[in-house]
Amino acid sequence: KNEVEQSPQNLTAQEGEFITINCSYSVGISALHWLQQHPGGGIVSLFMLSSGKKKHGRLIATINIQEKHSSLHITASHPRDSAVYICAVGGWSSNYQLIWGAGTKLIIKP
Amino acid sequence: KAGVTQTPRYLIKTRGQQVTLSCSPISGHRSVSWYQQTPGQGLQFLFEYFSETQRNKGNFPGRFSGRQFSNSRSEMNVSTLELGDSALYLCASSLEGAGDTDTQYFGPGTRLTVL
Repeated sequence: KNEVEQSPQNLTAQEGEFITINCSYSVGISALHWLQQHPGGGIVSLFMLSSGKKKHGRLIATINIQEKHSSLHITASHPRDSAVYICAVGGWSSNYQLIWGAGTKLIIKP
Repeated sequence: KAGVTQTPRYLIKTRGQQVTLSCSPISGHRSVSWYQQTPGQGLQFLFEYFSETQRNKGNFPGRFSGRQFSNSRSEMNVSTLELGDSALYLCASSLEGAGDTDTQYFGPGTRLTVL
């Protein structure tokens, strides 16, 4: 079993829909990261969180440390949100190196 | 502030050759991590350098090596290239490299094709 599991692997939705991507992990962590990778390879860090909730524009990330689960939400989705969204966790159990999820490929159709 | 830069962006080599990739971190960042990404696989951690020392290493054979210079610039070397080494190689820099508190900033990557 992978230490970081993301679901779904692939997600196709219509423009305007509310999107939820999930991340579950099995190791002890200090922080969880959400990143976005656009076609062509560029990776952008979206959020780093260790508790509660963070919001940036139309993106919202939540984490439940007790349940070892995080969600990334996109409100009013737009075709430009189409990308791979990656969850990664880090902490003492991984010698502070990030353990990466396999990513969720999101396609937003106009 | 300039972002993380990687050179070259694209590289084509043949089996058995060796290759050196370069990464310049954001000014002031002391940690540089290298990742390999192949189609269908997530990012695979290669190694991390901090203040010219390799601090962490992933599960890759000894053909993969790296170093970091005093200005924090880092190079990655792959010797005796194999077809399976074809991948996107990404480097990321952060202030201190702590996976629990630091945001990593990624470069655009070097796409290596081994023929």
